[in-house]
Amino acid sequence: SSELTQDPAVSAALGQTVRITCQGDSLRSYYASWFQQKPGQAPVLVIYGNNARPSGIPARFSGSSSGNTASLTITGAQAEDEADYFCNSRDSSGNLVVFGGGTKLTVL
Amino acid sequence: QVQLVESGGGVVKPGGSLGLSCAAAGFSFSDFYMSWVRQAPGKGLEWLAYIGGSGTTIYYADSARGRFTISRDNAKNSLYLQMNFLRADDTAMYYCARSVTSYYYYAMDVWGQGTTVTVSS
Repeated sequence: SSELTQDPAVSAALGQTVRITCQGDSLRSYYASWFQQKPGQAPVLVIYGNNARPSGIPARFSGSSSGNTASLTITGAQAEDEADYFCNSRDSSGNLVVFGGGTKLTVL
Repeated sequence: QVQLVESGGGVVKPGGSLGLSCAAAGFSFSDFYMSWVRQAPGKGLEWLAYIGGSGTTIYYADSARGRFTISRDNAKNSLYLQMNFLRADDTAMYYCARSVTSYYYYAMDVWGQGTTVTVSS
């Protein structure tokens, strides 16, 4: 298996652009997906397959990748975007699934 | 509407067993891979296992292999997780999730509300 590493916490001013990153060897071969989780709620998929948005997810959420790093960008962060964000991907074997440790986003 | 509802959580003693169920509605259940994911209190998400639509493709995380068994009954639109030899560190919220997959990614696009498992003497 392989690991995905995320910064524990990120903050952004209201309306600012914020980038949350996810690093891991498996990201050289596989795409990251991103999940938003608010306190007491189940996770919500916000980006899958590197940069695809599920229906209902605002266009301010986008994904990208370079080398072993995947990024979730929120262009114009809103108060309601304050949440934990988790990345995931297939592991290096392609058969298993791994999650990053999560990033807590605070919108100031 | 598309919905997943987990059940079967509770309090169990170390070394005990517990079976979780997940009832699916609003989509063609047999067309989708399904996963179990857990979250220990205050911790991150941990993938445990997934199963293909027909039930023939199954993979487990190292933490689940040998103790947990994932299965499905497409006639009943239901997903299951049988957990044996439970330990204190299995205490968590357990989610079932519908999966969207390709060669390049594995994501979960629909989640249940979760069921709580507490392992304590």
